[in-house]
Amino acid sequence: AQSVTQPDIHITVSEGASLELRCNYSYGATPYLFWYVQSPGQGLQLLLKYFSGDTLVQGIKGFEAEFKRSQSSFNLRKPSVHWSDAAEYFCAVVGTGTASKLTFGTGTRLQVTL
Amino acid sequence: KAGVTQTPRYLIKTRGQQVTLSCSPISGHRSVSWYQQTPGQGLQFLFEYFSETQRNKGNFPGRFSGRQFSNSRSEMNVSTLELGDSALYLCASSFQQGSTGELFFGEGSRLTVL
Repeated sequence: AQSVTQPDIHITVSEGASLELRCNYSYGATPYLFWYVQSPGQGLQLLLKYFSGDTLVQGIKGFEAEFKRSQSSFNLRKPSVHWSDAAEYFCAVVGTGTASKLTFGTGTRLQVTL
Repeated sequence: KAGVTQTPRYLIKTRGQQVTLSCSPISGHRSVSWYQQTPGQGLQFLFEYFSETQRNKGNFPGRFSGRQFSNSRSEMNVSTLELGDSALYLCASSFQQGSTGELFFGEGSRLTVL
């Protein structure tokens, strides 16, 4: 069965600093990978997704992620964080084939200091 | 176009009662998925409906059920509520079946069981 690990529960960065959120997945074949963001009291919004092709994926709000098969990782990055980026970030995986439900990581809460 | 609409947004029930939550997907979307979000278990997949048929089901007891109507609106029901059912219940819609398509989430229904 697929699984996702987000090793960092909570991260604090200063506004304007760079950001990298870690995500490791476990799946036998090439997975479909996603990053979602959840602001307080809100639902989840898709930031970006990887299905195949170019391993560096661009998303909304200036985020990008890189798929590294050798490390089973799909880390999320942003070169310069804004205070409005404070939220909880979830990495998710879905296996190709019939098992099409999303499996989420436990999330990383991002705090941005001014 | 309008997003995913979930009602009610907040509700309080007592143990043993039952509850019905409603989800109206984005117009034209035929797939509706439900997720439970709790601090302890994170985001967990409940079930997915497509064209009025349940296509996928997560590992939840039979007290959790759902259905989808011909207009793609979906309801989920939880019977004989337990304290542990307190959670944010998120609905997500997509145009195609399965999670290989982008999921659009509603803001959720927050259920408190006393």
